[in-house]
This record gives sequence, C-alpha cells and structure tokens, in this order.
Amino acid sequence: AQKVTQAQTEISVVEKEDVTLDCVYETRDTTYYLFWYKQPPSGELVFLIRRNSFDEQNEISGRYSWNFQKSTSSFNFTITASQVVDSAVYFCALSEALDTGNQFYFGTGTSLTVIP
Amino acid sequence: EPEVTQTPSHQVTQMGQEVILRCVPISNHLYFYWYRQILGQKVEFLVSFYNNEISEKSEIFDDQFSVERPDGSNFTLKIRSTKLEDSAMYFCASSYAKMNIEAFFGQGTRLTVV
Repeated sequence: AQKVTQAQTEISVVEKEDVTLDCVYETRDTTYYLFWYKQPPSGELVFLIRRNSFDEQNEISGRYSWNFQKSTSSFNFTITASQVVDSAVYFCALSEALDTGNQFYFGTGTSLTVIP
Repeated sequence: EPEVTQTPSHQVTQMGQEVILRCVPISNHLYFYWYRQILGQKVEFLVSFYNNEISEKSEIFDDQFSVERPDGSNFTLKIRSTKLEDSAMYFCASSYAKMNIEAFFGQGTRLTVV
C-alpha cells in the first residue's frame, strides 16, 4: 500500500493562477513528519517544508502555503500567483518516528507546468 | 550554506561493471542515506546508515549493493555488477538528527548502464 499518494500526475496552469497540489498519506504512527520537495528540471531535490504530526497549523511562506489536516490525512500545497519558475515536479514525503531507518516515503510526484 | 555533494554528476557504465557513487555529506551530520529515482518515477529509499553501520535497507538494496564511509567524510554506494535496470538517478542525503529534521539531498548522480 502506498504511504503517500499524489493523485495528480500532471497539472498545467497559466501564469498568475493559483494551484493546489494534493497529498494524502497513510500511517499508523502517532508521530510522523511530512515534507514537500521540489525537483526542477535540473534534477536536484529542493526542500520546501517540514511538518510534524502535532502541529496542524497551516503555514505560509511567500507565495507558498500548506494545509495540513489530520482528519483527512492530507498535506496539500498551494502556490499563489504561479510563475514559470515554479515549473517542476513536486514530491510529498512521509517519515515515521517508529521507523528505525528514518526513511522517507515519497509520493509519485506531481509535475507542474506553468505556462507564460 | 553547507550542502551535500555528489560525484560524478553523470556516470555511464557497461552492464556487469562495478560502479562507485560518491557523496560528501554535510560535515556535522550523523545520518546518511541513499535513494534512487528511475526516470519519471518516484524517489525510492535504498539504505540508511548511522554509526558506521546500516540501520535500514529496502528490498531494492540486495547483495549487489554496499555502502561504506571509508574516511569519515565520504559516503559511497557501490554496485558490484550493474544491470540495465540500475539506470537511475541516485541521491545521497544526510541529516543531523534522526527525526524532525529534513534530510539534505545532494544534486544526484545519473547512472546510465549500457
């Protein structure tokens, strides 16, 4: 079973539109951590945000915002006023406290294309 | 800003050959990881390493794979006899603590097995 599901494979938006990337996770741990990473065309993984399971406060960082809802096991990511530079693949990831190896479980990613 | 560095950025090797992918984690980090991303697919965990030993490995990490921290700064992934299906981007990552902290990823090594 997938621990992290990103149902949106590809999204295209026109520049300046808002876009929300969905992430649904599954875990039995009460303590866990959720992450978003950006992978631009150059291939590296760029850390965007970390959230622990005890902090459901939504977060805003510039044009980025994250909506964490434990009731629906979702950790969605919204880009406001999208720009061409936002074009990338975005990965949601989960890490569980009881996992001895501290591995990240990545979703399959959402490829975002922002059209100028 | 400290970063994880990986060399080479791209490696082409013949099937059956051994390859060693190299990583220099951030200097004060204690936990080290290798992940793999087959083209167009998700990032998959291979192995985590702490205190000079493997702490966890996935089913992908079979006997053909090994990791080593030979000199206190480098962290290597060796594939003994490469197969075509080993072609992927390999990411090294490191973290200072086990939990509640992000892993810093390197820029990746693209391995192409021909």
